[in-house]
Amino acid sequence: DAMVIQNPRYQVTQFGKPVTLSCSQTLNHNVMYWYQQKSSQAPKLLFHYYDKDFNNEADTPDNFQSRRPNTSFCFLDIRSPGLGDAAMYLCATSGAGGGTYNEQFFGPGTRLTVL
Amino acid sequence: GQNIDQPTEMTATEGAIVQINCTYQTSGFNGLFWYQQHAGEAPTFLSYNVLDGLEEKGRFSSFLSRSKGYSYLLLKELQMKDSASYLCVADTDKLIFGTGTRLQVFP
Repeated sequence: DAMVIQNPRYQVTQFGKPVTLSCSQTLNHNVMYWYQQKSSQAPKLLFHYYDKDFNNEADTPDNFQSRRPNTSFCFLDIRSPGLGDAAMYLCATSGAGGGTYNEQFFGPGTRLTVL
Repeated sequence: GQNIDQPTEMTATEGAIVQINCTYQTSGFNGLFWYQQHAGEAPTFLSYNVLDGLEEKGRFSSFLSRSKGYSYLLLKELQMKDSASYLCVADTDKLIFGTGTRLQVFP
């Protein structure tokens, strides 16, 4: 089945220790998104790639970086995680950026704990 | 600005009907999504409305009024597995998420 895969599902890191979350997709979608979702809150868009074009949200901290080496993979790097970065991180894909029908397909998420 | 309003929590009993309302104010609007999100899991697509009116899909229906900036999700014949958060999401040049309505279904 075509899908969005996130690894690991649960990640524990220490305060200040860099961590990388990964996302892969078999949908061949050209847009990939990273969201941060804290408990009982809406997902917050961090950035997205339209093909290789990187689009950062204005309020995304510099601590968060992303890489997309190819169509299938996208990585979220947190350079120096703080306690406030503990959250669920959702990867999503869509077949087109912006415009009309923008359905996004979500991965299962990675729950990050910062000790 | 961009704003999505929906109730924080709702409760209902198994077999009942529940309507989750959503109002939105966005700059630019293409359509409205409803996503279902079970605790600790990713959102999953339920419906997408572009035109005014009601769209029915099995036990779930979604309504949109663009002139009023209003949508609702109607769930019929509620089941225990429908206990989840329901996210109202506006499709603009990006997706604008509401904070979700947490629905609890009791036996």
